[in-house]
Amino acid sequence: AQKITQTQPGMFVQEKEAVTLDCTYDTSDPSYGLFWYKQPSSGEMIFLIYQGSYDQQNATEGRYSLNFQKARKSANLVISASQLGDSAMYFCAILYYGGATNKLIFGTGTLLAVQP
Amino acid sequence: KAGVTQTPRYLIKTRGQQVTLSCSPISGHRSVSWYQQTPGQGLQFLFEYFSETQRNKGNFPGRFSGRQFSNSRSEMNVSTLELGDSALYLCASSLNPSGSPSYNEQFFGPGTRLTVL
Repeated sequence: AQKITQTQPGMFVQEKEAVTLDCTYDTSDPSYGLFWYKQPSSGEMIFLIYQGSYDQQNATEGRYSLNFQKARKSANLVISASQLGDSAMYFCAILYYGGATNKLIFGTGTLLAVQP
Repeated sequence: KAGVTQTPRYLIKTRGQQVTLSCSPISGHRSVSWYQQTPGQGLQFLFEYFSETQRNKGNFPGRFSGRQFSNSRSEMNVSTLELGDSALYLCASSLNPSGSPSYNEQFFGPGTRLTVL
């Protein structure tokens, strides 16, 4: 069974500093995608970044980058130059491509608070 | 291009009632998935529809059901509401069918917040 683990329930970071949010996963399937979403207090899930299991390079999207270590089954999100608006819940999720369904399995999330 | 829309955004019901939530995917997307988010259980997959067919269902009782129409809009229904059904219900749409190893972003709607009293 696939499982996503986010070990940091909450984190603080100073504005303008970088922060790393941890995500490890457990799957024996070779074909999968890893997603990071941001969920502000309004509830909407905002897509941040994606990493495919066959991608050779770490994904980057603006201030977001993914430290993907396939052998260790980890996909940590790095946010550079934190902003106050980055305060939110962050979820890591895995999508298994081998099955006949689009089903995301989510971690428990990390609540990030950016301090001025 | 319009995003995923969900209606209503907020809903208050009493125990024993039933409720129908609606999700309109991004134009051209044929896959719609539903998720329930609660403080205790986190985000859990409910079911997915593709081309009007349910492809997968999560571990939820039969009180939770859904359907998809020919225009890809989807509804989910919860009958005989219980207090524990209070949650944020999110739907997501995607373009590609499953099984493809290519990038397949899941676009989420704003959610429907259901409160059961």
